[in-house]
Amino acid sequence: NAGVTQTPKFQVLKTGQSMTLQCAQDMNHEYMSWYRQDPGMGLRLIHYSVGAGITDQGEVPNGYNVSRSTTEDFPLRLLSAAPSQTSVYFCASRSGVMNTEAFFGQGTRLTVV
Amino acid sequence: LAKTTQPISMDSYEGQEVNITCSHNNIATNDYITWYQQFPSQGPRFIIQGYKTKVTNEVASLFIPADRKSSTLSLPRVSLSDTAVYYCLVESRAAGNKLTFGGGTRVLVKP
Repeated sequence: NAGVTQTPKFQVLKTGQSMTLQCAQDMNHEYMSWYRQDPGMGLRLIHYSVGAGITDQGEVPNGYNVSRSTTEDFPLRLLSAAPSQTSVYFCASRSGVMNTEAFFGQGTRLTVV
Repeated sequence: LAKTTQPISMDSYEGQEVNITCSHNNIATNDYITWYQQFPSQGPRFIIQGYKTKVTNEVASLFIPADRKSSTLSLPRVSLSDTAVYYCLVESRAAGNKLTFGGGTRVLVKP
């Protein structure tokens, strides 16, 4: 029962570096999304996908890119890391049906110095 | 889209019942109310969902009055391990499959 798997769990980047946060799910879910959570705050939606080949922006998309080439994977790319992107990133998946349970990964703690 | 308002924090003691009320005044006819729980350093976890009246599962109960403008999550006989942030969400057909999180309620259970 892997569920939603995020890698890496921790990452330190220098300002200006790029990297990709990986997210994979094995539940054949159509809908996947990325959130960021800053200390003491709720989760904010970055990007989401309703199926392979389809992505859209959430509340805070600037500085991030996504793609969805397969149902299982939904990577998040930071193009040029900035200290303001220091946060914990969560990936979630759910089936394409409304009002179903969303499953979250364990998160990636990213620090940009 | 329905906006939710819930208390920022609540303290309780082991063995007590904790009730968290969420207001969602402009909830639409087809919207559902969902609660998630988040422990420190973990992703949120689904607790319960309802449309009207009362829903109960092994973890919690959800009470929704007839006007559906608010809902109350009830956690019976809490333990220290129930210390977490609890989020109330209104799932709207207009928002598609997007889940929008507010600030949540930070519940601290004391011994």
